[in-house]
Amino acid sequence: AQRVTQPEKLLSVFKGAPVELKCNYSYSGSPELFWYVQYSRQRLQLLLRHISRESIKGFTADLNKGETSFHLKKPFAQEEDSAMYYCALNLGGAQKLVFGQGTRLTINP
Amino acid sequence: EAGVAQSPRYKIIEKRQSVAFWCNPISGHATLYWYQQILGQGPKLLIQFQNNGVVDDSQLPKDRFSAERLKGVDSTLKIQPAKLEDSAVYLCASRNRDGSSYNEQFFGPGTRLTVL
Repeated sequence: AQRVTQPEKLLSVFKGAPVELKCNYSYSGSPELFWYVQYSRQRLQLLLRHISRESIKGFTADLNKGETSFHLKKPFAQEEDSAMYYCALNLGGAQKLVFGQGTRLTINP
Repeated sequence: EAGVAQSPRYKIIEKRQSVAFWCNPISGHATLYWYQQILGQGPKLLIQFQNNGVVDDSQLPKDRFSAERLKGVDSTLKIQPAKLEDSAVYLCASRNRDGSSYNEQFFGPGTRLTVL
């Protein structure tokens, strides 16, 4: 079955500490993965996509096909990173996305 | 550019009643999606349109849910009759198939439905 698993519903770290939000996927084809973020009282928005290999707001994510993972990392957390983070898998060219259940990240001062 | 618009923002109805949601995508975006997000879960795709044609509605409960995008722009999602388990946020998203935002879906603010 094609699915995305985010094992942590809640994650709390202190400002300045490293952050890692875990995402594992199950997919028989060549995966295309995304991280979406929803800040408080804002819309769901794209944070980054694996094909771009970009760093957005200090976040990076590397696709590991051997471990079927796409973990989101940031070396030094900031308070404004507090948000809901969703990992998503594209099932096909028409961009049919399957989302994980999300991880609520809280950065403590 | 103006974002995806949705209305109403909130709706409370009793079970067995009908409800409709409206979505206006970003101008020029040919692809439109409706998602259902139940509390504590990620968004789940209900239906995807390309212009005014349905691309995928495999997860739409067709016995009670319907959606249309008659002129390839605005879309409506209807539930008739509603059940308690339909309580959720209904998200609309749109995507441009061209340019640098090819892979990005732009989401609306959502409609929060409560079924009593």
